This record gives sequence, structure tokens and C-alpha cells, in this order.
Amino acid sequence: GAGVSQSPSNKVTEKGKDVELRCDPISGHTALYWYRQSLGQGLEFLIYFQGNSAPDKSGLPSDRFSAERTGGSVSTLTIQRTQQEDSAVYLCASSLLSREQYFGPGTRLTVT
Amino acid sequence: DAKTTQPPSMDCAEGRAANLPCNHSTISGNEYVYWYRQIHSQGPQYIIHGLKNNETNEMASLIITEDRKSSTLILPHATLRDTAVYYCIVRVDRNDYKLSFGAGTTVTVRA
Repeated sequence: GAGVSQSPSNKVTEKGKDVELRCDPISGHTALYWYRQSLGQGLEFLIYFQGNSAPDKSGLPSDRFSAERTGGSVSTLTIQRTQQEDSAVYLCASSLLSREQYFGPGTRLTVT
Repeated sequence: DAKTTQPPSMDCAEGRAANLPCNHSTISGNEYVYWYRQIHSQGPQYIIHGLKNNETNEMASLIITEDRKSSTLILPHATLRDTAVYYCIVRVDRNDYKLSFGAGTTVTVRA
């Protein structure tokens, strides 16, 4: 079946601009996660959605970052006033409840 | 993941079995052993997980020792596409959802 999809695959933006990253999870998966991975670094947890529960936003690095999940499916991660340190690969994952997580291909964000 | 120890790298010949060790001597009774891998420039990929019984799926086999202090991931017939960094982590299912990986084992499959 279809896996997790993310768009765009690559995004180059100027410092100070806003960006929106999209994630389509696996159909039927109740949990959705956003992570980021800087070059050569490990996974950094950003946010977790589980069903209708309040999301765990504890990993968002600043108030410039926000995410929403509409209708329990598609999620959008928004970064306002981008900075060069926001450059990274942004990964989305989904799972059934909180079991094994299936990752998308990621969005490579470059802030110039 | 500080709870696991893996060798930094290993080579494997194409077509042969690759046996990847992982030590997790402080694992708790309710913690599962999970394996993921990350091929260069791709997102992490779930491979397999287990609690105490050996597990097998279409990708790999997981052998967990009786005392659960170590495990081995087996790729039965390695191909060049299996070249990746392999991560062994322990986590409590359901509650421990913030994945983090240690350095993992860089596996290079050679023709």
C-alpha cells in the first residue's frame, strides 16, 4: 500500500520567508510525528499528534514553528520567518497508535 | 540511543547473510527492541521489533538472547541496496514515541 508522502521534496527559501511543509500519512494511522534531521545529525523530535488528543508540541524549537493536522489525516508544518539554522531535512512519520513508525522521504529545506 | 551499543561499521559480501549485533544490557522488562535503517538521503525505515521471542518478517530476522541483554538483526541475503546505517533502539511500546537514534552501525554491502 501507499506509504507516507511528503511535499515538496525540496524547498529553497530566502531568510525571513514563511514555508509550509505537507505530510500525508498512511491511511488509517492514528498517530503522526514530525522530526527534523540536520546534516550528519540524529533525529530531533518536533511534534506528535495522536487522534483527537492535544498534540505534544514539546519539541518545537521556537514559536516560529507550528503544525496542524486536519481531519485526523494530512498535516502541515509551518515555519515563519525562516532562519538559516532552520535548514534541515524535515521528516514526517505515522503509526497505528504509538507503535512502529513509518517515515516519509522527507523535505529538504534550505534557507539562503 | 544511550541504552544500546552497536559496532560503528561492518562490511558484508553481497548475497551473504549480514549479522548485526546490539547490546542492551540495561533493558527493562517492558521495553521492546526495535531496528530501523536509513539509506543515504532517505528517511528512516522500520525493519522489525520484538520483546523476547525471535521475530521474522520479509526484511529480516531478529534474534533476542534469553536474558534479553543483546540481540542480532539478520539480513539473510544482503544486497547492495541494503547498504545503510542500522539503528538498534529500545523503547516502551505506546508511551515512548519520541524516537532518537544513536550512531548506529554503518553497513556496507560489497559486490
